Amino acid sequence: TAGITQAPTSQILAAGRSMTLRCTQDMRHNAMYWYRQDLGLGLRLIHYSNTAGTTGKGEVPDGYSVSRANTDDFPLTLASAVPSQTSVYFCASSDGTGGYGYTFGSGTRLTVV
Amino acid sequence: GQNIDQPTEMTATEGAIVQINCTYQTSGFNGLFWYQQHAGEAPTFLSYNVLDGLEEKGRFSSFLSRSKGYSYLLLKELQMKDSASYLCAVMDSNYQLIWGAGTKLIIKP
Repeated sequence: TAGITQAPTSQILAAGRSMTLRCTQDMRHNAMYWYRQDLGLGLRLIHYSNTAGTTGKGEVPDGYSVSRANTDDFPLTLASAVPSQTSVYFCASSDGTGGYGYTFGSGTRLTVV
Repeated sequence: GQNIDQPTEMTATEGAIVQINCTYQTSGFNGLFWYQQHAGEAPTFLSYNVLDGLEEKGRFSSFLSRSKGYSYLLLKELQMKDSASYLCAVMDSNYQLIWGAGTKLIIKP
């Protein structure tokens, strides 16, 4: 089934450690996005990529980095995790033309202790 | 700035009709989306409006008025499985989605 795969599903991480959240899509979508979702705050954009080789900062980029070496993969890295990064992280993709909206991965639940 | 407003929580009765409103102010407009999100799951696409008027899809309908910056999602013949959060999002001039915080819909028997 075509779609977006995120890994891991959940993770408990010690503060100060680094971690990479993986995201892979097989729809050949140009645009990809990383969101965090916290209770009462809705979806907040961390970083995005409109096409392979380019990335941009969203609303809450501090403490996170991304890369887009190819069309399919868009990993999100936390260099030194802090408790405020405890959240549910969603990766999404779109064809960049509107109309079909975004397709979301199943999410990664991250707890930083 | 860009802003999407929708009620935080609504309660309705099984079998009834509920309307979830959304107002927006964004830089550019390339369509309005409604997503459904069950607890612990990813958002899933429900509807897309780019022109004024009503779009009907089974028990769900979505309305848009661009001049008023207003949309609503209408859910008919409510079922218990409709208990979820409903997210309103507007695609701006850069084809990025601007999200509301979501409306948690509670269905009571």
